[in-house]
Amino acid sequence: EVHLVEAGGGLVQPGRSLRLSCAASGLSFSNYWFHWVRQAPGKGPVWVARINEDGGITNYADFAQGRFSISRDNARNTLHLEMNSLRAEDTAVYFCVVDMSGARDRWGQGTLVTVSS
Amino acid sequence: DIVMTQSPLSLSVTPGEPASISCKSTQSLLHSNGNTRMTWYLHRPGQSPHLLIYLTSNRASGVPDRFSGSGSGTDFTLKISKVEAEDVGIYYCMQGLQTPYTFGQGTKLEIK
Repeated sequence: EVHLVEAGGGLVQPGRSLRLSCAASGLSFSNYWFHWVRQAPGKGPVWVARINEDGGITNYADFAQGRFSISRDNARNTLHLEMNSLRAEDTAVYFCVVDMSGARDRWGQGTLVTVSS
Repeated sequence: DIVMTQSPLSLSVTPGEPASISCKSTQSLLHSNGNTRMTWYLHRPGQSPHLLIYLTSNRASGVPDRFSGSGSGTDFTLKISKVEAEDVGIYYCMQGLQTPYTFGQGTKLEIK
């Protein structure tokens, strides 16, 4: 069974940085695209970024472009999201998602990021 | 960006009765490989969203056959043949054709 476990969330001041991680198991990690999706309190999901199987292709939502960086370590079955210059509006639960919109689409339990002074 | 519009935004259904949710996209979701990249998720309270339907009409593993997806181009529908209590939650459509992937506003299903 596929398991995705996010970590690294927490309370951070505006303008600071945070690095999220997602540990994956139960699948051939290096065979899949991975995504980050966020959901602000009381709002719907919003796609953030994606990365291809070998890390050579990345795409970002406009709000993430230039501030966020998605990466992966296929040797450690781990996905990362580096977030810089954080703003209050980045407050959300961040989900790691594998094979989004595909047959093996799975979401982690999410990690809460709160940006506040 | 592709805009996804769901309707209705809320549903109250008697157990055993059918339910239907519509989702419209501002451009065709037909991929050059012939697949149509429409996805449906259910977000139950206290859980993460999980996949119901992928590529318009394919049920995800473990999803009961009372759920079905249909549509083409820009118009799509999720149907539940006989609603059960466990079906409560928020249903989202999402397009996976191009980045940024975009979601509908969500349809909240409640049981009468």
